[in-house]
Amino acid sequence: GAGVSQSPRYKVAKRGQDVALRCDPISGHVSLFWYQQALGQGPEFLTYFQNEAQLDKSGLPSDRFFAERPEGSVSTLKIQRTQQEDSAVYLCASSFPGSREQYFGPGTRLTVT
Amino acid sequence: QKEVEQDPGPLSVPEGAIVSLNCTYSNSAFQYFMWYRQYSRKGPELLMYTYSSGNKEDGRFTAQVDKSSKYISLFIRDSQPSDSATYLCAMTLPYGQNFVFGPGTRLSVLP
Repeated sequence: GAGVSQSPRYKVAKRGQDVALRCDPISGHVSLFWYQQALGQGPEFLTYFQNEAQLDKSGLPSDRFFAERPEGSVSTLKIQRTQQEDSAVYLCASSFPGSREQYFGPGTRLTVT
Repeated sequence: QKEVEQDPGPLSVPEGAIVSLNCTYSNSAFQYFMWYRQYSRKGPELLMYTYSSGNKEDGRFTAQVDKSSKYISLFIRDSQPSDSATYLCAMTLPYGQNFVFGPGTRLSVLP
């Protein structure tokens, strides 16, 4: 596709449910990033992949958050036992390796009730 | 104190005005500086990307970096209502991959 795509665009989960958010990066982009954006704030880094290798997961807020990219293309961010404070927009970005030009998807808006 | 600060606005200007958006930062090791535009309910869109100090111009947009003052700016000339959005600055270390974003400045350009 022409850009980064994410699904679902909106997700409502009851507290305690598990959710899975999907990211399809731009074709040929081996670097993939996940960010969390709270309302009225800038995105905050969660984790980074180069191909299938997760090179940095320092931004994941707790062990309830888990990301994978098993074939070096599509990535999934999973949140277990969701809490209200997990409500945010989850953004995925991709880039060529070493490039600082990251291209973002539209995000998944997660609401935990 | 956050690593990257921006005035959240909102900033309202008349159509045709020159807009100045700014960020300050605390980590002198940041080397790459980006400006993103984010429309409501959309992902951030890359506008400008600069390395180290200096100016860069692209159409109506000019990005300036002053590393000695730890201060970056984005100027928008001949602003249009379609420029109404939140503007996010972002920066990264020389060998870092993840960006550190400011909180964003909300801009409204009034027709």
